[in-house]
Amino acid sequence: EDKVVQSPLSLVVHEGDTVTLNCSYEVTNFRSLLWYKQEKKAPTFLFMLTSSGIEKKSGRLSSILDKKELFSILNITATQTGDSAVYLCAALPTGNQFYFGTGTSLTVIP
Amino acid sequence: GAVVSQHPSRVICKSGTSVKIECRSLDFQATTMFWYRQFPKQSLMLMATSNEGSKATYEQGVEKDKFLINHASLTLSTLTVTSAHPEDSSFYICSAERGVAGYGGELFFGEGSRLTVL
Repeated sequence: EDKVVQSPLSLVVHEGDTVTLNCSYEVTNFRSLLWYKQEKKAPTFLFMLTSSGIEKKSGRLSSILDKKELFSILNITATQTGDSAVYLCAALPTGNQFYFGTGTSLTVIP
Repeated sequence: GAVVSQHPSRVICKSGTSVKIECRSLDFQATTMFWYRQFPKQSLMLMATSNEGSKATYEQGVEKDKFLINHASLTLSTLTVTSAHPEDSSFYICSAERGVAGYGGELFFGEGSRLTVL
């Protein structure tokens, strides 16, 4: 059965801390892994990772994919209160079905 | 960047009525759009895949006669919740895929529609 598992389920940190969010997947015909940030409304796209070992960066956020061990991490450095959100990862196989994890709820305390 | 517009953002209706939600890709053509439902404190649940010019593909457990999906053009998909009941109250989100359908296309989400059925 195809599945995506995220950990931890929730996380509370102080401003300035660095956090690492984990996403493991078991998906047939895996193509890409995507990370999203969801605040009050719809998720916003962060990264799409297709190749193993190549880090993608956007400001204080970075992510990397390990296709051998079937996982991805999302790092956030120097966290800010505006980073508080649910972070979703999704695995995309060839075809149209996206498999989402249950998300990691991040709370950044001032 | 690409924008997906979803409308309405919030709707309140009486039990037994039908509600239509629109999802538009504003600056790209999307042959494939997806409809999700999000339950409180849970992740997105894929309801159906909407393909332009053909019938939608529904996920197991989703009633196709209750959640009607129409993808009449390359930029518009609609979800109609027919004979809505309070248990249908939820947050519904659409997404549109830019790129070659099913082959690592980038996914863009609408802002979601909060449905409340009284």
